[in-house]
Amino acid sequence: GAGVSQSPSNKVTEKGKDVELRCDPISGHTALYWYRQSLGQGLEFLIYFQGNSAPDKSGLPSDRFSAERTGGSVSTLTIQRTQQEDSAVYLCASSPGVAGTYEQYFGPGTRLTVT
Amino acid sequence: GNSVTQMEGPVTLSEEAFLTINCTYTATGYPSLFWYVQYPGEGLQLLLKATKADDKGSNKGFEATYRKETTSFHLEKGSVQVSDSAVYFCALNDGGTSYGKLTFGQGTILTVHP
Repeated sequence: GAGVSQSPSNKVTEKGKDVELRCDPISGHTALYWYRQSLGQGLEFLIYFQGNSAPDKSGLPSDRFSAERTGGSVSTLTIQRTQQEDSAVYLCASSPGVAGTYEQYFGPGTRLTVT
Repeated sequence: GNSVTQMEGPVTLSEEAFLTINCTYTATGYPSLFWYVQYPGEGLQLLLKATKADDKGSNKGFEATYRKETTSFHLEKGSVQVSDSAVYFCALNDGGTSYGKLTFGQGTILTVHP
């Protein structure tokens, strides 16, 4: 079956612009996660959705970052007024959300470059 | 809070050599432990997992045993191939909820030469 997909695969934007990153999880997966991978910080958790709700937003680095999920499926991560330190690979993962199944399945990522 | 520490890389080996990548963790409760692999230009793939103490995860010739007494989950392979060249990440899910976030180690770059 289809895995997690993300778009765009690459995004170059100017400092100060807003960007939207999209994630399509594996069909039927109720849990969805966003992570950020950067050279200096490694892999960092950003936010977790269960259905359309976000019980854990603790990793969002500032109020410029927001995310939503609709229909228990597609999620969008929005970064407003981008800064150079936002440059990173943004990874989305999904999980079945079934008790006892803890592994997460990752998409290919969106590489964001802020110039 | 939770944390994962991996051995410093990069690791460079010749084909058919033995591989160990050390991983230790700090967590509350009874975490599940994972190794993920990232091949060049690709996303993260789950390599293996263990959900309770003394469990051994294995896949593609790689193994790791969940050692609660030493809070470790070291990755091993008896004979590496060039195709194993990748970045390896140790991670934990604290199990506080079934769907909790993953905490990752910093990653270990493995390069295998013919």
